[in-house]
Amino acid sequence: GDSVTQMEGPVTLSEEAFLTINCTYTATGYPSLFWYVQYPGEGLQLLLKATKADDKGSNKGFEATYRKETTSFHLEKGSVQVSDSAVYFCALRDGGATNKLIFGTGTLLAVQP
Amino acid sequence: ETGVTQSPTHLIKTRGQQVTLRCSSQSGHNTVSWYQQALGQGPQFIFQYYREEENGRGNFPPRFSGLQFPNYSSELNVNALELDDSALYLCASSGTGTANSPLHFGNGTRLTVT
Repeated sequence: GDSVTQMEGPVTLSEEAFLTINCTYTATGYPSLFWYVQYPGEGLQLLLKATKADDKGSNKGFEATYRKETTSFHLEKGSVQVSDSAVYFCALRDGGATNKLIFGTGTLLAVQP
Repeated sequence: ETGVTQSPTHLIKTRGQQVTLRCSSQSGHNTVSWYQQALGQGPQFIFQYYREEENGRGNFPPRFSGLQFPNYSSELNVNALELDDSALYLCASSGTGTANSPLHFGNGTRLTVT
């Protein structure tokens, strides 16, 4: 079945460092891809998405490009802030009739001042 | 615009008991889905309700059941609780049940089974 694999955390960075969180997927069809962020004690917030190959999703300085050839959707940010500390989830949604999302296990990002 | 709200925020139950969790969907949304997030894991899809009918289900046993009401709010019921049911339960609503409708998540209910 469809699945998502993320790099394990925690990822610890200093403020203003460059961030990459790797995400690869396995899917039989042509999924849409997402990054969600979860701050402590809160639910999930959509960070960005891409619905087809070569699309780039971007939001709040974060970017990710849908790479069909490598089945990847890596999250990047050029300069992280302490406020970016959270758990980041990569997810896919297949082309089926429901809104079912398949999530990776999440990557904890800790940014130190 | 009112977001997705869930109640209660925390709950402690004993193994074998039954629990009901509640979710009010975002205004104008007619689709609700439920996810289980175990500690240190990503959320797992339980099921989705569209216009009061279940229209998708994940790999969860029948003791996980749900309802959606005419106002599109929803309940998740879990019978015969097991220790492994301890998790954060997330509700998400969307404007339609189709694959292109963004999901809006609530803050979840933390269930502890002892």
